[in-house]
Amino acid sequence: SQQGEEDPQALSIQEGENATMNCSYKTSINNLQWYRQNSGRGLVHLILIRSNEREKHSGRLRVTLDTSKKSSSLLITASRAADTASYFCQPGAGSYQLTFGKGTKLSVIP
Amino acid sequence: GAGVSQSPRYKVAKRGQDVALRCDPISGHVSLFWYQQALGQGPEFLTYFQNEAQLDKSGLPSDRFFAERPEGSVSTLKIQRTQQEDSAVYLCASGLDRGYEQYFGPGTRLTVT
Repeated sequence: SQQGEEDPQALSIQEGENATMNCSYKTSINNLQWYRQNSGRGLVHLILIRSNEREKHSGRLRVTLDTSKKSSSLLITASRAADTASYFCQPGAGSYQLTFGKGTKLSVIP
Repeated sequence: GAGVSQSPRYKVAKRGQDVALRCDPISGHVSLFWYQQALGQGPEFLTYFQNEAQLDKSGLPSDRFFAERPEGSVSTLKIQRTQQEDSAVYLCASGLDRGYEQYFGPGTRLTVT
């Protein structure tokens, strides 16, 4: 299976600052997805980036993908308290078995 | 529109009991995944359906776990003779097809006492 590893494991920032979290994976992928999970709730899909894309934006989110380094980053600009959550990446390849890492736990302090 | 729903939201079972967890995916979604999430961990893949076909069940932890999706829509995850280590949140997700974003349900929190 293809598993992403998020880094850092935990991140604490002040409201208004930017938050950057990274994802590394081991083998070739077709796409990579980022998800958010608020405490005690289901996962919410944030963004999907395909292997032939290098950067993608959605609102305050910016995702980059470097297939040569087998890594992706998620940038959240002008963070808000509501962004407090765990963030997971999910690399997608040919296998049906899609897995998640342990996530980055982001705390945004008001 | 309606998202993915799961029932029950909470389930307490005595060790040894059988449980059945239900997932109603978004209408028309071909792909359906089941995941198990322990506290503080990311979701762990259990099984994948494409319509009614179970194409991957390699993540099911033991033969006590069984999943079905007989008509290609609603899916049920059954756990027989529950053990304490089965306590976790069970998440269901559906998608238009493999390679598209997945939409997650709220999960079923199973506690085995």
